[in-house]
Amino acid sequence: KNQVEQSPQSLIILEGKNCTLQCNYTVSPFSNLRWYKQDTGRGPVSLTIMTFSENTKSNGRYTATLDADTKQSSLHITASQLSDSASYICVVSVMGYIPTFGRGTSLIVHP
Amino acid sequence: NAGVMQNPRHLVRRRGQEARLRCSPMKGHSHVYWYRQLPEEGLKFMVYLQKENIIDESGMPKERFSAEFPKEGPSILRIQQVVRGDSAAYFCASSPSANTGELFFGEGSRLTVL
Repeated sequence: KNQVEQSPQSLIILEGKNCTLQCNYTVSPFSNLRWYKQDTGRGPVSLTIMTFSENTKSNGRYTATLDADTKQSSLHITASQLSDSASYICVVSVMGYIPTFGRGTSLIVHP
Repeated sequence: NAGVMQNPRHLVRRRGQEARLRCSPMKGHSHVYWYRQLPEEGLKFMVYLQKENIIDESGMPKERFSAEFPKEGPSILRIQQVVRGDSAAYFCASSPSANTGELFFGEGSRLTVL
């Protein structure tokens, strides 16, 4: 069964600090992995996409990594801001199947 | 190029009434997905449609729920005889191609059943 597990479930950090969110998956055969950000009351927005051959990809203060051998991805947020408070969702795709969603990590950034 | 448009953004219904949620995909997108999100929960897949066809409805409750994506007009998620447990946010996403994970989400429709 295709599954995507995210950790931690929730995280509280102080503004300016860094943090790392984890995503483990059992989806196979792997096509790509995306991280989405969902602000409270809004729809999810894509942050990054990782394909099989990519190890690291950055989007501003967001850096995603992928280890296709261990089936793990991480999202690192540098110098966090209050606006980073949101749910971060890992989504893994297999060609020919519906994308599999993780439950998300809820991040709260305190001033 | 407008994004995915969902309406209404908020809908209140009494138990037993019908709820109709509409989704207009991004221009050029022919693939539509519906997801349900309960408070403090993740997004749960409901149904995947292409124009005039239901491709995968494995996440749809067997009764009271239906979805369509006609040749002309928006995709519709219809919930008949709503119950309090149907209260949730319903998100629509569209994609330019099938099952690539490249989903563009609307802002959701929040259904409250009294």
